[in-house]
Amino acid sequence: DAGVIQSPRHEVTEMGQEVTLRCKPISGHNSLFWYRQTMMRGLELLIYFNNNVPIDDSGMPEDRFSAKMPNASFSTLKIQPSEPRDSAVYFCASRLRDGGNQPQHFGDGTRLSIL
Amino acid sequence: KQEVTQIPAALSVPEGENLVLNCSFTDSAIYNLQWFRQDPGKGLTSLLLIQSSQREQTSGRLNASLDKSSGRSTLYIAASQPGDSATYLCAVGVGGADGLTFGKGTHLIIQP
Repeated sequence: DAGVIQSPRHEVTEMGQEVTLRCKPISGHNSLFWYRQTMMRGLELLIYFNNNVPIDDSGMPEDRFSAKMPNASFSTLKIQPSEPRDSAVYFCASRLRDGGNQPQHFGDGTRLSIL
Repeated sequence: KQEVTQIPAALSVPEGENLVLNCSFTDSAIYNLQWFRQDPGKGLTSLLLIQSSQREQTSGRLNASLDKSSGRSTLYIAASQPGDSATYLCAVGVGGADGLTFGKGTHLIIQP
């Protein structure tokens, strides 16, 4: 079975440009999470969705960040306008929310560099 | 606010040794605890998940324990191999549907 698929794997763009990161969760998973990883702060939760509905976006750093999940098989994280301090690896994860304890499954991440 | 700390930050040991990685968390009201492995340039691979009602979980050469009352977990790796070299991350969940709070990881090197 395919795992969590993220695109692009790498993105280099200039400050001020709009950046869109994409995620396809594992089929059948109904919770989706966006994380950001930096050397200084480690892995931080940005936002998560249950059944396509945003539940907690308190980790989104600024209004420049937005996330959507239009259907069960696709989510986007958008940064507009981008800044150099947004440079990081962005991970998407999904899990089956069945009331029990299911592990989160991570994609390989998008390495974002803002010049 | 939940904080997760992992000690040591880095560890280098010869092949074949048994080793223990430590994780502590400040709020004992957790739902579960998960150990991950991260290889360079890759995503996270889930190794073990311990529910708050459990004391330990085992998978092959890996054993994870949980002491919720003291806010601690350990990951025991038996008979270490060079292929075990990676960064190991501990993360706690505070609700069945919530995201995870991560430690900063232990960078492990197993010398051949």
